[in-house]
Order: sequence, then C-alpha cells, then structure tokens
Amino acid sequence: RKEVEQDPGPFNVPEGATVAFNCTYSNSASQSFFWYRQDCRKEPKLLMSVYSSGNEDGRFTAQLNRASQYISLLIRDSKLSDSATYLCAVNDYKLSFGAGTTVTVRA
Amino acid sequence: DGGITQSPKYLFRKEGQNVTLSCEQNLNHDAMYWYRQDPGQGLRLIYYSQIVNDFQKGDIAEGYSVSREKKESFPLTVTSAQKNPTAFYLCASSTPLRVVNTEAFFGQGTRLTVV
Repeated sequence: RKEVEQDPGPFNVPEGATVAFNCTYSNSASQSFFWYRQDCRKEPKLLMSVYSSGNEDGRFTAQLNRASQYISLLIRDSKLSDSATYLCAVNDYKLSFGAGTTVTVRA
Repeated sequence: DGGITQSPKYLFRKEGQNVTLSCEQNLNHDAMYWYRQDPGQGLRLIYYSQIVNDFQKGDIAEGYSVSREKKESFPLTVTSAQKNPTAFYLCASSTPLRVVNTEAFFGQGTRLTVV
C-alpha cells in the first residue's frame, strides 16, 4: 500500500462549481498535512497546511479526519485559474507526497 | 531574496555519465529533500537530510548519491547506475520534521535529459 494516495481525477468542472477530493495516508503517526498546487512543468507551491481538524483560506477548505486517515480539499466557486494539479503531502517524518489530483475548470 | 535555488534549469547528459544537480537554500532550514517527478506522476522521495552531515534514503535512492556538508547545500549526483535518469528533479527545504507546523518550499527544479 502506498503511503499517500489521492483521487487521480481528472476533475473537469464549470466555473463557479464546487469540487472536492481526498487524500488517504497509511502512517497513523503522521503529524501534519499539506496541500500543494502544481502548474504544468513548474515546482509545487504550498497552498494550505492542515495541523488540526481543518483549515480554511478563502475559497479553499482543507479537512483532516485522523480516525479514517484522510484529508480533503474543497474548492468553492471555482475559477479558471484554479486549473492545476493538487498534491497532498504528509509529514510522516520524511515528507511523502501523493501522485496528485488534476482539476480543470472550464468556462 | 530568500529561497531555494536549483541549477541548472535544464541539463543534458550522455548515457553512462554521472551528473550532479545543485541545490542551495538561504532560508536557514535544517531539512532538505530531493524528489523525482516523471510525466503525469507525483513526487517520489530520493534522499532527505534532517541535519548537516546526515541524510537518509528515501523510496527510490538506488542510483543516486547525496552529501550534506553545509547547511545551505544538498547536491544530488545521478550516477550511471540509475537505469532511467531522465526526469524532473525537485529540491525542497523545511524546518525540522519533528516540528509540527513545518512547511516545505521547493526550488524551480532541474529537467535532466539523458541521451
């Protein structure tokens, strides 16, 4: 079993829609979690950190469910500029990443 | 400007040659990491270092070597033993992993093509 697994997508949504996807992790001792955004052929950029049950930043909400060992990312009122690959990362004392979820927002 | 600098951005090498990728950070971060990304794939951890003069293998260390002689620098050597070296290589740094609210930041990456 992979340490970090994500919904691969792709999620193809219209502008203004809400999209949500999950990331599961295998190490129950993991202490912190992150969502990164990666644009094509660029480096990942930190979107949100999740240390307790959840975090909200504008249109983006991240939730953590320790009992079921997953985190989720919800994007409200999607914009064209939200089109990207979203990577989940887990601090399991060596910072492991999922394979990414591709989101495409169409006009 | 604080940040992580990877060089070069693009690198071409002949098969069978060793090549070293540079990663320097001026964020005063203790921890540094090397990842490999193949097209359409996620990030796979090659090596990581939590402190100067110490480093650990990640999930795909075979065919790679690293050193951490200075806090600011974590060079990665892709050796001829690496079967499929063509990939996008990303370096990152963070505060120590034992710190709960650590956050990692990435350099711009090096695209290595072996011909």
